Amino acid sequence: GAGVSQSPRYKVAKRGQDVALRCDPISGHVSLFWYQQALGQGPEFLTYFQNEAQLDKSGLPSDRFFAERPEGSVSTLKIQRTQQEDSAVYLCASSRPGQYYEQYFGPGTRLTVT
Amino acid sequence: AQTVTQSQPEMSVQEAETVTLSCTYDTSESDYYLFWYKQPPSRQMILVIRQEAYKQQNATENRFSVNFQKAAKSFSLKISDSQLGDAAMYFCAYVGSGYALNFGKGTSLLVTP
Repeated sequence: GAGVSQSPRYKVAKRGQDVALRCDPISGHVSLFWYQQALGQGPEFLTYFQNEAQLDKSGLPSDRFFAERPEGSVSTLKIQRTQQEDSAVYLCASSRPGQYYEQYFGPGTRLTVT
Repeated sequence: AQTVTQSQPEMSVQEAETVTLSCTYDTSESDYYLFWYKQPPSRQMILVIRQEAYKQQNATENRFSVNFQKAAKSFSLKISDSQLGDAAMYFCAYVGSGYALNFGKGTSLLVTP
C-alpha cells in the first residue's frame, strides 16, 4: 500500500505570499499530524486531526497558520502572508486511531521564503 | 512538559564498527513510548526502533538495539556493524499520554569507509 504523500516537495515563496501544503495520509488512518522542522532542529508539533475534527492546534505558531481536513482524508496546511521565519520542512504523519505510538511520516515539504 | 535531549550533535563511526547515540528525557509519566528515527537527506523520517516503557527488555531490530534505563531516563541507540547507508540524522522521540511526538535536536551520524 501507498505511504503518506505530501506535495509539493519543494516550495519557494516570496515574503507575503500565501502557500498551501498538501498531505495525503495512509488509507484508513484517521489520525493526522503536522510537524514543523526548522533547519538543524527536530520536528515540532503543529496540529492534530482525528477524522475531520481538529482536536489540537496548540502548536500553530501564529494565526497566519491554518490547517483543515474537510473530508477526513487529505489535509491542507495553509500559511498566509509568509515570513522568512516560516522557512522549514513541514512533515505530515498519520496513524490508526489510538495508535499514536506508530506514526508514519511523509517525505515533507521544504518551504523557502525569500 | 516532556523534554528530549540529545547531547551529541555529531558522531562518526568507521564502517563495520559499533557506535552508540545518547538520549535522555524528562517526564513524570510512568507509561510512554520511546523511539529512534532516522532521517536521511531525502527527509523521510524512518522509524528505526521503538521501546515501550513498561517493558524491561531492551528492544532490538537486527543491527540496532537500545539500552533503556528507565530510572535514569536514558535511552541510547547502539548500531552494530555500521554500514555506509546508516549515515543520516538520528532523532530520539517520546510520546506519553498525549499524541504528539516530542523530538530531540538530533545527532548527525557520519560513516567512514
